[in-house]
Amino acid sequence: EAGVAQSPRYKIIEKRQSVAFWCNPISGHATLYWYQQILGQGPKLLIQFQNNGVVDDSQLPKDRFSAERLKGVDSTLKIQPAKLEDSAVYLCASSSLSGHRTNYGYTFGSGTRLTVV
Amino acid sequence: KQEVTQIPAALSVPEGENLVLNCSFTDSAIYNLQWFRQDPGKGLTSLLLIQSSQREQTSGRLNASLDKSSGRSTLYIAASQPGDSATYLCAVRLPNGGFKTIFGAGTRLFVKA
Repeated sequence: EAGVAQSPRYKIIEKRQSVAFWCNPISGHATLYWYQQILGQGPKLLIQFQNNGVVDDSQLPKDRFSAERLKGVDSTLKIQPAKLEDSAVYLCASSSLSGHRTNYGYTFGSGTRLTVV
Repeated sequence: KQEVTQIPAALSVPEGENLVLNCSFTDSAIYNLQWFRQDPGKGLTSLLLIQSSQREQTSGRLNASLDKSSGRSTLYIAASQPGDSATYLCAVRLPNGGFKTIFGAGTRLFVKA
C-alpha cells in the first residue's frame, strides 16, 4: 500500500512569516495525527483527527497553529506567525483502529523539516 | 500522567554485538506498545507492535518484550550491523481518550564497523 505522503520536505522561513504543511494519509485510515519533533526529543502530538473531526488538540498552540482535515482525507497544518522555537520536524501519521489487529499501529510520513530564522 | 523513558540516550557498540534497548512507562494501563526506527532527517518506521495482551514480538534479528505490570519493554537486536545505526523510539498507546500515544525521547544507536 502507498505510504503517508507529506510535502514539502524542507522549508526555511523568517520569523513572523506563515507556512503550511500538507499530508495525505494511507487510504482508508480514519485517524490522522500531526506531531512536532524537536531535535533530540521524541515526537509530541499536536492534533489528532478521527475522520474530519478533532479528537485531541490539547497541545496545539492555537494562537498560531491551525489544522484542518477536509472530507476526512488530506490534512493541512498551518503556522502563522512562526517563531524561532517552531523549528522542528513536523510528522504526519495515520492509523486504522478497525480491521486487522496489526493495523492498530501507526504509519508515519517522512516529515517536513522547518527552520525558522 | 503517562511518561515514557528510554535508557540509554545513546549507545555505541562494535559490529556483531547483541544489544538491548530499554523503555519504561509509568502507567501500566496501555493499549499497545510500538517500537520505531528513525534515520536522520527521516520519518519513523515501525519495527514491532506489541498488544497489551502479548508478551513479545519478533521480526528477524529484532525481539521486543513487554512487561506491563512493571512498566517495561525491551528491544533486543541480535548480531548488530552498521546499517542498524539509527534512533530507536518506543511509544505507548493509551486505551482511552482517542488512543493517544506517548513517545519516549529515543536511544541513538551507533554500530561501528
